[in-house]
Amino acid sequence: GAVVSQHPSRVICKSGTSVKIECRSLDFQATTMFWYRQFPKQSLMLMATSNEGSKATYEQGVEKDKFLINHASLTLSTLTVTSAHPEDSSFYICSATLAGGDPGGEFFGPGTRLTVL
Amino acid sequence: AQSVTQPDIHITVSEGASLELRCNYSYGATPYLFWYVQSPGQGLQLLLKYFSGDTLVQGIKGFEAEFKRSQSSFNLRKPSVHWSDAAEYFCAVTGTDKLIFGTGTRLQVFP
Repeated sequence: GAVVSQHPSRVICKSGTSVKIECRSLDFQATTMFWYRQFPKQSLMLMATSNEGSKATYEQGVEKDKFLINHASLTLSTLTVTSAHPEDSSFYICSATLAGGDPGGEFFGPGTRLTVL
Repeated sequence: AQSVTQPDIHITVSEGASLELRCNYSYGATPYLFWYVQSPGQGLQLLLKYFSGDTLVQGIKGFEAEFKRSQSSFNLRKPSVHWSDAAEYFCAVTGTDKLIFGTGTRLQVFP
């Protein structure tokens, strides 16, 4: 149980276009989902926290107009990278937590590799 | 400020050898501590976690970790490494909100 999926697993796009990444909790309802960014050989950096039905909370330094997060249901959150540029190329990982779950009890998706040409 | 330090960027061991991956944390309150493993192209998998109680924690795949408050450490150990253990390992800490990750240790296993 507690499986999180992401789609697509990898995407290549042209500079200036927008890309949407989906994160789904397959067998549980996730009240909170997190979006991380991982640069090569570096750690995961939290970008934002999204709660179902409310606006996402962005970490300092993350442009909320560039990284649009929607958490419309208890099983789906989307991250849209708007007007993508090569510096946005990265590995994006989502995670989800169960309602009333343990602190830090996140279940991670497999990640999405974004390459912006 | 809250932080996690993994001093070893890259470790190489022979298959069958013992392993210890280091993790030090800085956290103002009682921390919740985690170790995750990330294989290429895959998401993070939780190996083990410490919340309270016994400071020696057993996890999956034969891993264990010991919480040492006096040293602010939570080192991961395995008595005998298998080739399939080659991956990236992340230590993380949280209070009640967000996870803070270390920079990771890449484990390479030689036959």
